Amino acid sequence: GQQLNQSPQSMFIQEGEDVSMNCTSSSIFNTWLWYKQDPGEGPVLLIALYKAGELTSNGRLTAQFGITRKDSFLNISASIPSDVGIYFCAGQLIGSARQLTFGSGTQLTVLP
Amino acid sequence: EPEVTQTPSHQVTQMGQEVILRCVPISNHLYFYWYRQILGQKVEFLVSFYNNEISEKSEIFDDQFSVERPDGSNFTLKIRSTKLEDSAMYFCASRVGTSQETQYFGPGTRLLVL
Repeated sequence: GQQLNQSPQSMFIQEGEDVSMNCTSSSIFNTWLWYKQDPGEGPVLLIALYKAGELTSNGRLTAQFGITRKDSFLNISASIPSDVGIYFCAGQLIGSARQLTFGSGTQLTVLP
Repeated sequence: EPEVTQTPSHQVTQMGQEVILRCVPISNHLYFYWYRQILGQKVEFLVSFYNNEISEKSEIFDDQFSVERPDGSNFTLKIRSTKLEDSAMYFCASRVGTSQETQYFGPGTRLLVL
């Protein structure tokens, strides 16, 4: 099956710093999604990307769908304490039941 | 804002027992999914369901698992004879069913098999 390689696995940053994380795949996806998961809760959608090359922002978050359709990155600017959590990328294939293939997650810790 | 709900939030069961996890998808959504997340690991796809039948399933979804939409609102996952390795968070998700839309996840059920 498809595999998504997400990096970094964890990050420790100071409040106010910018953060970048990315996902790569050997397979082509038609949709890339970024989710955030807080402990004991379900993934919450942050950004959805539908077209190769698309750059989308949601507040302090910016994500891009790679031109090759095999990668995506998520940037968080001016991090704040509530950004703490696990960030997952997920790829979705068209023509299937559109189940999501998830990356292994990036654990973000924001230090005051 | 509409959301996916799941019950129970936690379930503890003995190995070999049957469990039923329940989900209420968002009301106008047509596609439903179950995912599993073993502690500390990534979220894994189990099964998708559309038009009252399974549309796709992963290798994890073996004969011990079944899904059902018993009425117009609930979507259930049954594990017939639980194993220790079934301990995980189970997430239900749903999506509308148009060409470009995303899946919305419920809060999950934490299943612990003893």
